[in-house]
Amino acid sequence: DIQLTQSPSFLSASVGDRVTITCRASQGISSSLAWFQQKPGKAPELLISAASALHSGVPSRFSGSGSGTEFTLTISSLQPEDFATYYCQQPKSYPLTFGQGTRLAIK
Amino acid sequence: EVQLVASGGGLVQPGGSLRLSCAASGFTFSDHYMDWVRQAPGKGLEWVGRSRNKANSYTTEYDASVKGRFTISRDESKNSVYLQMNSLQTEDTAVYYCVRVDTRYYFDYWGQGTLVTVSS
Repeated sequence: DIQLTQSPSFLSASVGDRVTITCRASQGISSSLAWFQQKPGKAPELLISAASALHSGVPSRFSGSGSGTEFTLTISSLQPEDFATYYCQQPKSYPLTFGQGTRLAIK
Repeated sequence: EVQLVASGGGLVQPGGSLRLSCAASGFTFSDHYMDWVRQAPGKGLEWVGRSRNKANSYTTEYDASVKGRFTISRDESKNSVYLQMNSLQTEDTAVYYCVRVDTRYYFDYWGQGTLVTVSS
């Protein structure tokens, strides 16, 4: 199984900050990685696919990069609505797996 | 507009069975893979299984934790996908989401989720 490890697991930041979340895969997955945002009580929403492709309707302050085993999600200037939990996920091989999540909280 | 509406959750005793439904609309149902993903209370996301599209004969894949106990099926006439869950265990307690898979195998639309509680 491909394990995805996110860091940090918890992040505290302020509105306007630039934040980066990292996802490391236990084996190479080329650019096959997605990022999701989940708010309390809601279903996750796709932010980024194929490591760096912004999903329709997602603000441009979100960006993704990486390939192989190391990936990052960057939010360039945090907005109040960005405080949520973020997950990475690989669709490349079964079983499909998610990272453990990164909770982004207001400082 | 793509819509996925999940239903069928509830309280069931250990060892019991439950069938979840997911009604899809706003897209050509038979063209897409459909997955189930679950989330235990306060925990992360866990993939449960997949139904491939019609072109791939609606074949299925499952996570090892549910293989042999859970079955995914579809009814094309109702644009619905189902998750039959047997031999339920307390660790199956979770919100279950049905998810549409896009043509590049990414989870692009999620239903609202339905809560399954396994408890005596």
